[in-house]
Amino acid sequence: DSGVTQTPKHLITATGQRVTLRCSPRSGDLSVYWYQQSLDQGLQFLIHYYNGEERAKGNILERFSAQQFPDLHSELNLSSLELGDSALYFCASSVGGSWSIQETQYFGPGTRLLVL
Amino acid sequence: GESVGLHLPTLSVQEGDNSIINCAYSNSASDYFIWYKQESGKGPQFIIDIRSNMDKRQGQRVTVLLNKTVKHLSLQIAATQPGDSAVYFCAESPHSGNTPLVFGKGTRLSVIA
Repeated sequence: DSGVTQTPKHLITATGQRVTLRCSPRSGDLSVYWYQQSLDQGLQFLIHYYNGEERAKGNILERFSAQQFPDLHSELNLSSLELGDSALYFCASSVGGSWSIQETQYFGPGTRLLVL
Repeated sequence: GESVGLHLPTLSVQEGDNSIINCAYSNSASDYFIWYKQESGKGPQFIIDIRSNMDKRQGQRVTVLLNKTVKHLSLQIAATQPGDSAVYFCAESPHSGNTPLVFGKGTRLSVIA
């Protein structure tokens, strides 16, 4: 158990809908990272928050947004969902805000999103 | 559990043998590398990392080798066990501390008992 929690574990929805995925980082970690993992794809970095502020953006669609709250939990909002958005969505956390060797990322168990 | 990547390269190894999983990285400026293990239905789990100023690092039953000349990274698992069956990802950090990790597609390790 990494100490990172994600809810829900599974989510089934229809095209055009909007969903919110939630992540709680490990105790003491200030950074939260969101990743998307599709079949046949490696992990694709979406966005990084550090202590409530956006720190880096990756291949995140405009239909997707995220935020990190004062209690450090984070939410990833996916809107106008398309079939191709079906994937595993992982959250990771680390102590600090850089991508250096000191900042091992610990991953949560993921949310499996299925868009029908 | 769900399948992560139906078309990943697969390495089948007899229990007790050593496993070698390879990864080619793309950016010669990358200076930090990590191996992650992902079991079915779970999130990636950190295994071992290495800086670019090293060419070898050892952990418990695992060794990472880095060859910067040919931009190649490998993970060696000694005395492979059934519990080692998983998908293994390498990740590189193109500019230490400043940019996100770039993950490889992964290799599926299947241990034959």
